[in-house]
Amino acid sequence: DAGVIQSPRHEVTEMGQEVTLRCKPISGHDYLFWYRQTMMRGLELLIYFNNNVPIDDSGMPEDRFSAKMPNASFSTLKIQPSEPRDSAVYFCASSFPGTGGYTFGSGTRLTVV
Amino acid sequence: QKEVEQNSGPLSVPEGAIASLNCTYSDRGSQSFFWYRQYSGKSPELIMFIYSNGDKEDGRFTAQLNKASQYVSLLIRDSQPSDSATYLCAVTNQAGTALIFGKGTTLSVSS
Repeated sequence: DAGVIQSPRHEVTEMGQEVTLRCKPISGHDYLFWYRQTMMRGLELLIYFNNNVPIDDSGMPEDRFSAKMPNASFSTLKIQPSEPRDSAVYFCASSFPGTGGYTFGSGTRLTVV
Repeated sequence: QKEVEQNSGPLSVPEGAIASLNCTYSDRGSQSFFWYRQYSGKSPELIMFIYSNGDKEDGRFTAQLNKASQYVSLLIRDSQPSDSATYLCAVTNQAGTALIFGKGTTLSVSS
């Protein structure tokens, strides 16, 4: 298996622009998670899905953030409009139900200037 | 949000020594506990998990759990320079469906 695939690896955008991050989970994993990592706040859970349904989005910082999972093999995290404080590494992870054995993607390093 | 606390470090140990990493958590409802390792610029990878009070050993790694004290630790025996990384403690939310991570402890093993 190719693991969890995220794209792009790096994204540099100007403040106010829309940013879309993409994730392909491991086939057969029922859970998909989006995390954001910064030096100050560590690894924060933003939202997670079970069988393509959002379960908890309480970690999404603002209405500017939205996430979708239209099918079992694809999810997006969108920021519109982006702000410099959104600069971070965004990780997607997937897992089988009832396990904590997450497999993380390589992450997307987002820089908003 | 429920909290997971770790000393940020850096924790410095000489090669061959035992490294002890500690973690406390605030949610008594947490049932499962995990240690992840993250090398600089890389994604976290699972090292160990523990569900029951006591010790669990896997090679050079031992995880220890004390639910009464809400305390989890990771011991690394015979530390190697390749163990130099950030170690993240994670606990499940009450639903048991997602992990809450601490900010991590940076370990440096000198040769």
